[in-house]
Amino acid sequence: DGGITQSPKYLFRKEGQNVTLSCEQNLNHDAMYWYRQDPGQGLRLIYYSQIVNDFQKGDIAEGYSVSREKKESFPLTVTSAQKNPTAFYLCASTSGDTDTQYFGPGTRLTVL
Amino acid sequence: GENVEQHPSTLSVQEGDSAVIKCTYSDSASNYFPWYKQELGKRPQLIIDIRSNVGEKKDQRIAVTLNKTAKHFSLHITETQPEDSAVYFCAAIFGNEKLTFGTGTRLTIIP
Repeated sequence: DGGITQSPKYLFRKEGQNVTLSCEQNLNHDAMYWYRQDPGQGLRLIYYSQIVNDFQKGDIAEGYSVSREKKESFPLTVTSAQKNPTAFYLCASTSGDTDTQYFGPGTRLTVL
Repeated sequence: GENVEQHPSTLSVQEGDSAVIKCTYSDSASNYFPWYKQELGKRPQLIIDIRSNVGEKKDQRIAVTLNKTAKHFSLHITETQPEDSAVYFCAAIFGNEKLTFGTGTRLTIIP
């Protein structure tokens, strides 16, 4: 999982602003995922992409958007429509050869 | 629908004792079951996984067992140590290649 990077580590957003979280991987993985984790809670899937230029909604996609223009990159935009965005956001990727999913270090987003 | 239930939500064990965490899944077609360990403020780290064609897998003090008929799998940690304290998540992969996670177990090792 050292081949997955996320930036920034901490992010502060004012209400009404859109912010974009970066996720990059150099593992040549086909599939990439975004999860949201609230304090003391599990992982909830926001969006995932199994191939470039294609992505699917997860369980909690409302208020979020993604793009997958390059295999290495899967940025997540938290829009102003997401009413309670304060959370820990984790990006992950999976090789096409195995089902093993590796996580990036996460971005902690706080709404001021 | 796709569902993974995990129990218990919290577990405290004396150092040196064993810990067992159990998960059940809803889709009999699931064929991959990983376990992740997450320390406070860190990313989840894969600690062991098992596929549906085997019933048990061990890696030093950690083992996972799978009962396909009953649709449940368990994590066993033996000779627990303080550094085993963390939150543990089970997961199962469903037909569309999404991992669905359990709700987590907070394991505390008492010195």
